[in-house]
Amino acid sequence: SQKIEQNSEALNIQEGKTATLTCNYTNYSPAYLQWYRQDPGRGPVFLLLIRENEKEKRKERLKVTFDTTLKQSLFHITASQPADSATYLCALAGSSNTGKLIFGQGTTLQVKP
Amino acid sequence: GAVVSQHPSRVICKSGTSVKIECRSLDFQATTMFWYRQFPKQSLMLMATSNEGSKATYEQGVEKDKFLINHASLTLSTLTVTSAHPEDSSFYICSARENWISSYEQYFGPGTRLTVT
Repeated sequence: SQKIEQNSEALNIQEGKTATLTCNYTNYSPAYLQWYRQDPGRGPVFLLLIRENEKEKRKERLKVTFDTTLKQSLFHITASQPADSATYLCALAGSSNTGKLIFGQGTTLQVKP
Repeated sequence: GAVVSQHPSRVICKSGTSVKIECRSLDFQATTMFWYRQFPKQSLMLMATSNEGSKATYEQGVEKDKFLINHASLTLSTLTVTSAHPEDSSFYICSARENWISSYEQYFGPGTRLTVT
């Protein structure tokens, strides 16, 4: 069955460092992958989308890579700030463009000042 | 950016009663909206796809007679939890896509916390 794995352990880093979060998947060939931020008690907020034929995408301090051979996406936050502390979710979508997303369980990032 | 609202933000109801949750796209039209459920410390699980003007498509294991979905307009979808039980207590989140074919981004509502006592 399709499976998405994100590191369930919280990631604690110092302010100013680069945070790197991992999303691995099996038994799936996504057309695109998305990263979301979720704060406690709130809905997810869209951050970045990367398509299967793209290797890397950047937006301000955020960078996403997508390796369809390794079946892995890496999400980087450079120059991290305490305000970046949240849970980050990766979500995969198939090629039929139904819009249906399969979410990973999320990784909680804690940036310490 | 596109904004999706949900109402109510939290609701407490007695076991056996029904609860309606609204999901609105405020500044765009959405032919398709999605309903998710999220239990504590768990991921979002897609419950159903709501299509304007037609019946919703439910994911495997989701009871369509218990979770009634109506998508009457391009900006409004509703989820009604019928005969709610304590195990239905969860965080319900909707999302919407804009109505153009190359749009892949989904915009999520703030969620509705349902507690069934």
